[in-house]
Amino acid sequence: QKEVEQDPGPLSVPEGAIVSLNCTYSNSAFQYFMWYRQYSRKGPELLMYTYSSGNKEDGRFTAQVDKSSKYISLFIRDSQPSDSATYLCAMSPNYGQNFVFGPGTRLSVLP
Amino acid sequence: ETGVTQSPTHLIKTRGQQVTLRCSSQSGHNTVSWYQQALGQGPQFIFQYYREEENGRGNFPPRFSGLQFPNYSSELNVNALELDDSALYLCASSRLAEYTDTQYFGPGTRLTVL
Repeated sequence: QKEVEQDPGPLSVPEGAIVSLNCTYSNSAFQYFMWYRQYSRKGPELLMYTYSSGNKEDGRFTAQVDKSSKYISLFIRDSQPSDSATYLCAMSPNYGQNFVFGPGTRLSVLP
Repeated sequence: ETGVTQSPTHLIKTRGQQVTLRCSSQSGHNTVSWYQQALGQGPQFIFQYYREEENGRGNFPPRFSGLQFPNYSSELNVNALELDDSALYLCASSRLAEYTDTQYFGPGTRLTVL
């Protein structure tokens, strides 16, 4: 079993849809959870960062962490074609060190 | 724009050769991490440098080595290249001591080993 699992997609949705992206993990020591967006041929760009369990909202993006289920989610509201990218979850037991990434989910938002 | 730069953008090497990749961290950042991202996979942590010292290492063999310089720029060296080393190599910088800070990635160097 991989330490972090993520549905690779591709996931295709119409413009304006609500998108749900998810990761599961096996290491209960993870405390820091991040979502990155990566456009083709670019480095990952941080979208959301959360510590421990709970929800965090930033504009059209909401991140949820459920440590009891070892499950994290990223919701994108009113999705736009510019949201088309690969979304990577990442997590770490210690802040700033040894990030473990999921394999990424490729999202296409169709106009 | 994150401010993290990497060079070169692309590189082609043959098996057994050695390669050096370079990274300039964002202004004010003293920590640099290197990642290997194979096609269709998430980045895998190679190692991290903090104030010129290695500060953590992932599951990579010793032929992957690094340096950090007093200006906090960094190099990744890979000896005895293997075909499986073909990947996008990402550098990320951060201020390790800052609780709310996080890593900012450069655009990467795409290495092809033939």
